[in-house]
Amino acid sequence: RKEVEQDPGPFNVPEGATVAFNCTYSNSASQSFFWYRQDCRKEPKLLMSVYSSGNEDGRFTAQLNRASQYISLLIRDSKLSDSATYLCVVNSGGGADGLTFGKGTHLIIQP
Amino acid sequence: GAVVSQHPSWVICKSGTSVKIECRSLDFQATTMFWYRQFPKQSLMLMATSNEGSKATYEQGVEKDKFLINHASLTLSTLTVTSAHPEDSSFYICSARALAGVETQYFGPGTRLLVL
Repeated sequence: RKEVEQDPGPFNVPEGATVAFNCTYSNSASQSFFWYRQDCRKEPKLLMSVYSSGNEDGRFTAQLNRASQYISLLIRDSKLSDSATYLCVVNSGGGADGLTFGKGTHLIIQP
Repeated sequence: GAVVSQHPSWVICKSGTSVKIECRSLDFQATTMFWYRQFPKQSLMLMATSNEGSKATYEQGVEKDKFLINHASLTLSTLTVTSAHPEDSSFYICSARALAGVETQYFGPGTRLLVL
């Protein structure tokens, strides 16, 4: 089983719509969770950290369910510029400091 | 946010040559740097973790003699792909972390390597 799993998409949604995607992780000892955004042929950029209580940053809302080991990202009022690949990222801690990336979910916002 | 640079941004080389990639933290001191590799349509995979002044820790399946990592200063880590082969063609990305225990990693822009 892969450590971090995401639906690769693509998700095609019209501009202004709300879109949500999830990711699941296999290591129950994972301590930190993030959503990164990666544009084509570019490096990943941190979108937001994910906290147990859920957190919001503008149009973006992230949620974490530790019991079910899944993380979600909700994007409201989607913009054309939101088109990108969204990477679910987990840090399992315990001395393993590198991040574990999912393959990403490809989002296409259509005008 | 913090800035991390990589050089070169892309490399085309012949099979058998060695390629050195530099990763620099420009406005902070990075106690730890990470090297990742991403093949097309795949996720980033951690290759190794390097701490300044000590040997790098390699992930399972990554050959330390093929991917030489040097972290000689708090602002520079280098990855050398020795005797590169076509299967080493990939997108190599470094990231840097400022302080131990702080989770935020800042990514460099990546280096595209094409081995002919």
